[in-house]
Amino acid sequence: TQLLEQSPQFLSIQEGENLTVYCNSSSVFSSLQWYRQEPGEGPVLLVTVVTGGEVKKLKRLTFQFGDARKDSSLHITAAQPGDTGLYLCAGARGNDYKLSFGAGTTVTVRA
Amino acid sequence: SQTIHQWPATLVQPVGSPLSLECTVEGTSNPNLYWYRQAAGRGLQLLFYSVGIGQISSEVPQNLSASRPQDRQFILSSKKLLLSDSGFYLCAWSQTGIEQYFGPGTRLTVT
Repeated sequence: TQLLEQSPQFLSIQEGENLTVYCNSSSVFSSLQWYRQEPGEGPVLLVTVVTGGEVKKLKRLTFQFGDARKDSSLHITAAQPGDTGLYLCAGARGNDYKLSFGAGTTVTVRA
Repeated sequence: SQTIHQWPATLVQPVGSPLSLECTVEGTSNPNLYWYRQAAGRGLQLLFYSVGIGQISSEVPQNLSASRPQDRQFILSSKKLLLSDSGFYLCAWSQTGIEQYFGPGTRLTVT
């Protein structure tokens, strides 16, 4: 059973459209990270959120951490083909040195 | 700046053969080191992590073992590979345990 549930599993949109990916859990996390991975490569860290209710923006990407620190969302505005990839959320609990990863959302942006 | 290397990039091995995957980190000292396995297009399963030389924690009992003979070297091994060991193996490092930085990965196919 995944500690972090991501939805949807797959998302295919046209260039210029907006999209949102969700990451949910029944557990509380001290921090949550979002990664993007391209085929055949390692994941790349996009952002870390640590405070409940926190919102971070990275160009056209907006990341939100839920007030109760159990969930997060990633919103992409005006998606571009370069946004295509596997988006992974990962959470840390307490002083653990480990991350729990969601199963990922595969995003395809069509030109 | 820090860099992480993994080799080999791809590997095809017969069932029952041994395995050795290597990961090295440059530009940092005393990092936490991690081995993950990823099924195609899916999330990451933590296999082992290490907070120091000779200190290995195993997350999933299986046909694999890990060693950390030097501060910035992490090795994943098996004495006899199974078909189920096929997958994409990722090494990562972290100074905090929260934000992790991944290597390029090794694609292992057991035939």
